[in-house]
Amino acid sequence: QKEVEQNSGPLSVPEGAIASLNCTYSDRGSQSFFWYRQYSGKSPELIMFIYSNGDKEDGRFTAQLNKASQYVSLLIRDSQPSDSATYLCAVRGDNAGNNRKLIWGLGTSLAVNP
Amino acid sequence: GAGVSQTPSNKVTEKGKYVELRCDPISGHTALYWYRQSLGQGPEFLIYFQGTGAADDSGLPNDRFFAVRPEGSVSTLKIQRTERGDSAVYLCASSFSGQGAGSPLHFGNGTRLTVT
Repeated sequence: QKEVEQNSGPLSVPEGAIASLNCTYSDRGSQSFFWYRQYSGKSPELIMFIYSNGDKEDGRFTAQLNKASQYVSLLIRDSQPSDSATYLCAVRGDNAGNNRKLIWGLGTSLAVNP
Repeated sequence: GAGVSQTPSNKVTEKGKYVELRCDPISGHTALYWYRQSLGQGPEFLIYFQGTGAADDSGLPNDRFFAVRPEGSVSTLKIQRTERGDSAVYLCASSFSGQGAGSPLHFGNGTRLTVT
């Protein structure tokens, strides 16, 4: 059974701090890694995706991928109260054919306190 | 261009009734996915279309659930003889499906289905 695991939280950080969200996955053949943000009552919204080992930065967000250790993380710098949401990690395997479905974690709830 | 559009946004139905949920993907996106999500859970995969064909329907929970995408664009998820356990938010997502490991999903706003 392929799995994606996240700490459910809640992770609470003060405004302006760095929030660090972590995700581990079981399928060593996984190729694509996605972070989605989901506000309460809303649909998931893509934040970042990463394919290669190392860091990928986009504004206040940095995704970090370590395939050898099978983890992917999301750092949010200068956290704002508007960042308070559930962050979902999703992993796509390197499957043959057309099976492109993602394996999702259950999400980490982040609360940024003013 | 517009994002993924789902209708209705809310649907309340009685146990045993039939419902249809509609998804209009982003123009040009060949891949379309249906998920459902219960409170506090991640999205649960239901079915994936590549063009008009269902490339993977392994997530459909039973034969009461069926989905179509006859022209390779709009998709309809159909649920027969609804049960209270079917209550959830049904999410549709689309992606531009090319070769390789790319193509992030873009979600619609979902349909909240409540079976009473």
